[in-house]
This record gives sequence, C-alpha cells and structure tokens, in this order.
Amino acid sequence: DQQVKQNSPSLSVQEGRISILNCDYTNSMFDYFLWYKKYPAEGPTFLISISSIKDKNEDGRFTVFLNKSAKHLSLHIVPSQPGDSAVYFCAASEPDSWGKLQFGAGTQVVVTP
Amino acid sequence: DAMVIQNPRYQVTQFGKPVTLSCSQTLNHNVMYWYQQKSSQAPKLLFHYYDKDFNNEADTPDNFQSRRPNTSFCFLDIRSPGLGDAAMYLCATSRRGSYNEQFFGPGTRLTVL
Repeated sequence: DQQVKQNSPSLSVQEGRISILNCDYTNSMFDYFLWYKKYPAEGPTFLISISSIKDKNEDGRFTVFLNKSAKHLSLHIVPSQPGDSAVYFCAASEPDSWGKLQFGAGTQVVVTP
Repeated sequence: DAMVIQNPRYQVTQFGKPVTLSCSQTLNHNVMYWYQQKSSQAPKLLFHYYDKDFNNEADTPDNFQSRRPNTSFCFLDIRSPGLGDAAMYLCATSRRGSYNEQFFGPGTRLTVL
C-alpha cells in the first residue's frame, strides 16, 4: 500500500526554467514532509522539508508547497540548473515515528542546456 | 569527512546462500536504518535501531536480520536470499531529535543468481 506517490517518473526542463515536482499522499496522519535528491552511485541527500503547520518553505532556489486539504505537495526549483539533474524523492512521516519515512518512487529530473 | 559507508557496493550471491551487508558511520548518530529499494520503486524501510533498541517493520520478512554491535556499525543479514531479494540496500543514520533528516550511504546492490 503506497502511501506516498510521485506519479511522474521523469521530468525534462530547460536550464533557467522552473522545475515543478509533485507528490501526493493518502495518510492524513503524516505531519512532516521532505524532499531528498539522489545522484547516480550516491545515496539520497536531504534537500528541504516542511511541517504540516506550514504551507510553504523556501531555501534558496528550492521551495516546497504543502496543500493539506488536497494531500499534495510540490517542489519548485527556480531557476533550474544542470546540476539539478537527479532523482528526487518525496518522503513523509507521522508524529513520533522516530524517522520512519514513507518514500515515493522518485522523479528523474533532467535539466537540458 | 563524516559519512555513511556501505560495503560492498556490489554483492552477488547465489539463491539460498547467506549474505551480509555492512554499514558504518562516522557521524556518531544514534539511529541507523536499513532500506530496501527495488528497481524504480520507493525505498522501503526494513528496520531501524535507536541506539541498541531494534525496531522491525511489521512486513519485513523473517529472512532479514540485523545486528548493531556498536554505535558505528550495523549489519544486514539475509539468511536465504531469494530472487525477489535482489535490490539496492540503503543504510541511513539520523541524530537524536532530527530523525527525519537522514544521512544515506551509497547503497549496496545485491544480485541473486
């Protein structure tokens, strides 16, 4: 039972444009959401997170938006750079779960010149 | 640099032949996790250690065991690997109070012949 879903397995975007990655979840108990980025031959690295008490969190070129009523979050990357080409995983956790993350299957982003 | 190290990076085993994957960390984090990631799927948590306390996910097969002899090391033992156990195995760590922001190793890709 996949509680976190990333329905777009891949995304191609031109350098300098906006990348928008989407993530949907089904578990209303989730209260913390994260995005991880993964380069080939490396493990995922934490990128940005958001608590359910917020609807937006920004860190440089990366912004995560949370729509709790729709059980949907998105990651915006502006402007996209070639180094952003990677797989992006959405993850979520319930309160007091000691880091028991539920991951989505990932979206492969390719930034073209 | 502080990091999470996984050995070996690639492991080939035969059907039914026990195999051990190892993970070490220099971050001195008290929580360690093992994830299984099959091709194009989401990473799935198998179990985690909070210090020496072992926490098994309900749907982790009995075929999978783990040991954590000290803070730095954690092992994943697969007692009788089946073809369905071929996957990338990711080790991660987190520190107390920041459980969701996990630090991942590069993974071990297991092939079962």
